Amino acid sequence: QKEVEQNSGPLSVPEGAIASLNCTYSDRGSQSFFWYRQYSGKSPELIMSIYSNGDKEDGRFTAQLNKASQYVSLLIRDSQPSDSATYLCAGPAISGGGADGLTFGKGTHLIIQP
Amino acid sequence: EAQVTQNPRYLITVTGKKLTVTCSQNMNHEYMSWYRQDPGLGLRQIYYSMNVEVTDKGDVPEGYKVSRKEKRNFPLILESPSPNQTSLYFCATAGTSGYNEQFFGPGTRLTVL
Repeated sequence: QKEVEQNSGPLSVPEGAIASLNCTYSDRGSQSFFWYRQYSGKSPELIMSIYSNGDKEDGRFTAQLNKASQYVSLLIRDSQPSDSATYLCAGPAISGGGADGLTFGKGTHLIIQP
Repeated sequence: EAQVTQNPRYLITVTGKKLTVTCSQNMNHEYMSWYRQDPGLGLRQIYYSMNVEVTDKGDVPEGYKVSRKEKRNFPLILESPSPNQTSLYFCATAGTSGYNEQFFGPGTRLTVL
């Protein structure tokens, strides 16, 4: 089973600063990764996907993929209190007989301090 | 509006009483999946379906059944629920492959007494 690992936190960041979230994965062959945001009691919401080495920017969010080091990161610039949530990293999972979709890290709890 | 719906959203039941949680999508997605989410354990896949009449086990399938008779619907069946199935359940869909972006339903909070 391919694994995705995240530090559970909590990660506390002052409002307006850059929040940096990290994720490592076990399979060198994995090609695509996703970041989801989840508010307490709500469903995961896709915020970024990245398919190639390097950076991908979308508004205040930047996803970074480093295949050589097997890590994925998410940067949130100008952090707002509304960014306080749990962030899930996900990568492809193959458990043997065939494709089964995504495997998720356990999430990093981010707190933006006003 | 593209969406994934689940019903019921909240359910309290007793051990052994069969229940079904429905999932429906209007995005014409081929891939559908069920997850459960528990504190400290994260999201774990229960079952998934690549297309109509094609289903397969995920990481934690024991105690659950699914069916995929229509493209838009993927119900989760608990034949004889037990307290260890108390959890938050999510249905998710993706286009043609589970490796693509997955979109989640609103969740069903199930309590089994």
